[in-house]
Amino acid sequence: EVQMLESGGGLVQPGGSLRLSCAASGFTLSTYAMTWVRQAPGKGLEWVSGISGSGDRTYYADSVKGRFTISRDNSKNSLYLRMNSLRAEDTAVYYCAKERDGSAYYFFDYWGQGTLVTVSS
Amino acid sequence: DIQMTQSPSTLSASVGDRVTITCRASQSTSSWLAWYQQKPGKAPKLLIYKASSLESGVPSRFSGSGSGTEFTLTISSLQPDDFATYYCQQYSSFALTFGGGTKVEIK
Repeated sequence: EVQMLESGGGLVQPGGSLRLSCAASGFTLSTYAMTWVRQAPGKGLEWVSGISGSGDRTYYADSVKGRFTISRDNSKNSLYLRMNSLRAEDTAVYYCAKERDGSAYYFFDYWGQGTLVTVSS
Repeated sequence: DIQMTQSPSTLSASVGDRVTITCRASQSTSSWLAWYQQKPGKAPKLLIYKASSLESGVPSRFSGSGSGTEFTLTISSLQPDDFATYYCQQYSSFALTFGGGTKVEIK
């Protein structure tokens, strides 16, 4: 059974940093591109970042470029999102999600339950 | 970036109704479009990919159509479990973008 479990969210002050983790199981992580998508309270979905199966290609939304870094450790079945210089507008539930079929088409069939990041003083 | 515009933003309907949601792209995405369903407090669920391909396990009352810049999601006969928010997502190019969502409410 495919499962993904995010962790690392919490309350952080503006300008602070957090590292989110996504532990994957039930599939071979290296076969699939992965992504982070966030959802601010009461708002819609916003794509944040994506990474290829091998990790050699990374992609970012303009809103986080230069502040967030996506990475993966396939040997540990884990995906990460390092978030620096956090702003109030980064407050959201952050989901990790798995590309559906390993074809490098970035649409997503399995999602984690999400982890809440709150940026506030 | 490709902008995705969904309409309507809210839709009131009754069980058994035929429901159509539209998603328009600011430039062509070919058929690289997915639809998701999200219920409160839950992660999104993939319904449709490549504009019209039904994800395994998704009821056949859901269907997708369109290409280029205009797409539709149709629910042929709305069921109680279908009251939720629906999002389109283009994966033609980075940055990936979602539509603003359509909330399907009970009339």
